[in-house]
Amino acid sequence: DADVTQTPRNRITKTGKRIMLECSQTKGHDRMYWYRQDPGLGLRLIYYSFDVKDINKGEISDGYSVSRQAQAKFSLSLESAIPNQTALYFCATSDGGARAEAFFGQGTRLTVV
Amino acid sequence: SQQGEEDPQALSIQEGENATMNCSYKTSINNLQWYRQNSGRGLVHLILIRSNEREKHSGRLRVTLDTSKKSSSLLITASRAADTASYFCATDAGTYKYIFGTGTRLKVLA
Repeated sequence: DADVTQTPRNRITKTGKRIMLECSQTKGHDRMYWYRQDPGLGLRLIYYSFDVKDINKGEISDGYSVSRQAQAKFSLSLESAIPNQTALYFCATSDGGARAEAFFGQGTRLTVV
Repeated sequence: SQQGEEDPQALSIQEGENATMNCSYKTSINNLQWYRQNSGRGLVHLILIRSNEREKHSGRLRVTLDTSKKSSSLLITASRAADTASYFCATDAGTYKYIFGTGTRLKVLA
């Protein structure tokens, strides 16, 4: 099983709908992240959380909200989806240790029509 | 935007040749990391270089860092078709907030 699991893997939704993307991890890491990827723009940080009680906005948080339900779970919500939120979304984790590397899920491809 | 930039945006080489890609960033860093992404899948960590290091090697990978120029390069030697992927740099100011660059798409022709 993957260490960082995202659900759903693909989703098509209509403009104005609320949608939640879920991320769970078995790595025991405190730090979790949500990124979106658009062609030519690389990955941009939406929100990040360093523990259950710590939530921080990233570069592009407008139109998004998050919930850290437990150390292992970090969900991203689009309250009212719009077409320019069509993108590939990634969840990532980090243990904050000396290795400092991030571990990524396989991504959720979201299309807003 | 804090986001860094990489160049070239795309690179096509023959198998066996070396591939070099560059990353420029904007803020002071604690470390810089390189990641690889295969065709829309999740990113995989390749190598990390700390701000007090100038060069690091891992197998066929060589990374350099010039903090005075706020730039890094990734060299892949003796490339293989399996190296075809997108490569991203990510900077960390020591806060574990990773800021990614725009990526280089590498195609290695067999």
